[in-house]
Amino acid sequence: SQQGEEDPQALSIQEGENATMNCSYKTSINNLQWYRQNSGRGLVHLILIRSNEREKHSGRLRVTLDTSKKSSSLLITASRAADTASYFCATVFRRGYQKVTFGIGTKLQVIP
Amino acid sequence: NAGVTQTPKFQVLKTGQSMTLQCAQDMNHEYMSWYRQDPGMGLRLIHYSVGAGITDQGEVPNGYNVSRSTTEDFPLRLLSAAPSQTSVYFCASSYSLALSQETQYFGPGTRLLVL
Repeated sequence: SQQGEEDPQALSIQEGENATMNCSYKTSINNLQWYRQNSGRGLVHLILIRSNEREKHSGRLRVTLDTSKKSSSLLITASRAADTASYFCATVFRRGYQKVTFGIGTKLQVIP
Repeated sequence: NAGVTQTPKFQVLKTGQSMTLQCAQDMNHEYMSWYRQDPGMGLRLIHYSVGAGITDQGEVPNGYNVSRSTTEDFPLRLLSAAPSQTSVYFCASSYSLALSQETQYFGPGTRLLVL
């Protein structure tokens, strides 16, 4: 079964607004990553947050991680039409070999 | 660098046919993996490899074989295609298992339709 579950599954906002997506997971992790997928394309890595970190920023992206609640959030500030895409969280667990598990994604639509 | 390349981009198969999806990377990455993406299911790991000669099963390995004879190539073989294998297949690679090297780079995907 999937480790990560994104919430909401779909989100529609106006350009300029902030978009928040959440990810919950079930087991211990080494790190959590967020990826973006434009329609018909492969996934592109956005940001990685380690299990001992609580918050990380990259440009207009802000990621938080709460290991006690086994959850993470991705905030995109001042959204643009070009941010329209699906966003996935991926949990990484390493015991011997690395296992990366993806959630089902949040489909974000930013309306110009 | 070309990054991660996949061929073919599209393929239509009949039930029972076999085929190989090709994946190659030119970044000298140790870790390579195959995922399938289905609507409402996210990405599910099929097989992965931590280096040449080493492969292991992921979440949904049945019906698929892999091999890793070189660092660069990681082909995925469908032995006898079934309609349930209709999906979009993504290959990904990352540099190593060491900390700060886990970012995965994805190929553009192969769309497979099994009739």
